[in-house]
Amino acid sequence: DAMVIQNPRYQVTQFGKPVTLSCSQTLNHNVMYWYQQKSSQAPKLLFHYYDKDFNNEADTPDNFQSRRPNTSFCFLDIRSPGLGDAAMYLCATSRDRTGRETQYFGPGTRLLVL
Amino acid sequence: KQEVTQIPAALSVPEGENLVLNCSFTDSAIYNLQWFRQDPGKGLTSLLLIQSSQREQTSGRLNASLDKSSGRSTLYIAASQPGDSATYLCAGGRNTGFQKLVFGTGTRLLVSP
Repeated sequence: DAMVIQNPRYQVTQFGKPVTLSCSQTLNHNVMYWYQQKSSQAPKLLFHYYDKDFNNEADTPDNFQSRRPNTSFCFLDIRSPGLGDAAMYLCATSRDRTGRETQYFGPGTRLLVL
Repeated sequence: KQEVTQIPAALSVPEGENLVLNCSFTDSAIYNLQWFRQDPGKGLTSLLLIQSSQREQTSGRLNASLDKSSGRSTLYIAASQPGDSATYLCAGGRNTGFQKLVFGTGTRLLVSP
């Protein structure tokens, strides 16, 4: 089945130690999104890629970076994780940016910062 | 700036009951309104997508309505089942050059057998 896959499902890192989360998709969608969801809060968009075009949200900290080496894969890099970065990170895809179709979400990666 | 609010934050009902979840949004220039389901520790599953030109969408026991003028959407679940227990999030889509979703914090639903 076509889907959005996130690895790992759980990630533990140390304060200040760089960490990379990965997302892959078999849907061949042009758009990939990264959301941060803290406990009992709404998912918050960090950035998205439209094909190779990177679009950062204005309030996304510089500590968060992303790479999309090809259509199928997208990575979230946290350069120096702080305790406040502990959250669920959700990857999503959509065919285009028109809003006519929904976004498809992966299962998420839960990040714990010690 | 779009803000999305969901009331109630939590809801507990016995199996078989019909129920309504509410979602309100501040920006009537909404492009679409989506309802998602999130199981504990999991990602989001899309349930229904209502375009701004539509009034409602139905899928099985679920019916979602959209009233742009009042800034409200409702998700109606008929004949609730324990398997419906999850958090339900609504998200308003704004066309800011792309489909940006602004999520509410969700309603946590528990359906008891």
